[in-house]
Amino acid sequence: GAVVSQHPSWVICKSGTSVKIECRSLDFQATTMFWYRQFPKQSLMLMATSNEGSKATYEQGVEKDKFLINHASLTLSTLTVTSAHPEDSSFYICSAQGSEQYFGPGTRLTVT
Amino acid sequence: KNQVEQSPQSLIILEGKNCTLQCNYTVSPFSNLRWYKQDTGRGPVSLTIMTFSENTKSNGRYTATLDADTKQSSLHITASQLSDSASYICVVRGHTGRRALTFGSGTRLQVQP
Repeated sequence: GAVVSQHPSWVICKSGTSVKIECRSLDFQATTMFWYRQFPKQSLMLMATSNEGSKATYEQGVEKDKFLINHASLTLSTLTVTSAHPEDSSFYICSAQGSEQYFGPGTRLTVT
Repeated sequence: KNQVEQSPQSLIILEGKNCTLQCNYTVSPFSNLRWYKQDTGRGPVSLTIMTFSENTKSNGRYTATLDADTKQSSLHITASQLSDSASYICVVRGHTGRRALTFGSGTRLQVQP
């Protein structure tokens, strides 16, 4: 099946700093990628939809200035968490739309 | 409102035993239903996908059923193994667009030796 990668797989950052998470579709092109957040023992919550060459669409309650999304190419989308706060600590998962929606392995973010 | 409800929330079984996980949905229109396995700290991996006309789909020791009339699905795991310990998420695809997927909250399965 199609492969979606994320980098890094885990990251620890200090409050107030920014961290960038990459999502790549390795063997297919994805005009649309999705970013999810998952808190412990909860299911995935859609944060935003990333479309190549255009602005991302954010879900209600997700601050677009805090969670910057860039979908610069058909195989790469990035999520930048700006001015990170401990409350942003979570598991972030991307998915890429090919023939179906393929999920990445996730990135564990811990903000200290 | 589109919803997907799963039961039980968590389940502990002994290695070698069978188990069945349930998924009820109210998503409309309906396109397909997937069961995913999510290991701790990993992304979801698709196990099965079923469309409206399919009643059952197998993938090794995993067998999913779908009753589109009652909007219910089940995932049956046969001869469980320790590696089956994970969360199992039912996801229903409805209309097109960015909110096409509705996720269940998952069932956390623990297989003990």
